Amino acid sequence: DAGITQSPRHKVTETGTPVTLRCHQTENHRYMYWYRQDPGHGLRLIHYSYGVKDTDKGEVSDGYSVSRSKTEDFLLTLESATSSQTSVYFCAISESQGDYEQYFGPGTRLTVT
Amino acid sequence: SQKIEQNSEALNIQEGKTATLTCNYTNYSPAYLQWYRQDPGRGPVFLLLIRENEKEKRKERLKVTFDTTLKQSLFHITASQPADSATYLCALESGGYQKVTFGTGTKLQVIP
Repeated sequence: DAGITQSPRHKVTETGTPVTLRCHQTENHRYMYWYRQDPGHGLRLIHYSYGVKDTDKGEVSDGYSVSRSKTEDFLLTLESATSSQTSVYFCAISESQGDYEQYFGPGTRLTVT
Repeated sequence: SQKIEQNSEALNIQEGKTATLTCNYTNYSPAYLQWYRQDPGRGPVFLLLIRENEKEKRKERLKVTFDTTLKQSLFHITASQPADSATYLCALESGGYQKVTFGTGTKLQVIP
């Protein structure tokens, strides 16, 4: 995994509680992304960032917010978790050159009970 | 809206044969298309990119074709090995900031 970590790796939480997932990179890449992966849906983009304090919504952003105060950190917050947000969450990073490959973190398995 | 289709059923092939995976898309004209490999419990790993003006790209035992008229990409693994068993995802460029939209993936099983 190219210098990208996610924390926590596993979390169980109750409906209605706030949850924050952290993505940390040591590659100094400009672009960062949050995806969720669910059976039958594949990877879907939640939010992305194209620089410090520059973020935008993806395909499935309802119920999620993000922040990027430093190049290396991208936080995903579920303000009030729901059971439909039970999923595996992946962070990815990319740079604006070469083959534009996205490097993925190891994922966070979130269960909302 | 943009739609990407990959074979949802698993593909089983014999070791040594060529595996061919398909990625079809509609309602879009991506500037490039990528293929990723994903192993269980891991994040996807980038394999290849092919641009809209390229017909074919090769990397070791991998070959990707891109037909913008048919709106289809084919991903070939020649001389397949059990270690190639994984889920393979195609991803289409989707509008700036290196954003891509992923297909649901095809699970490949190479049988010894």
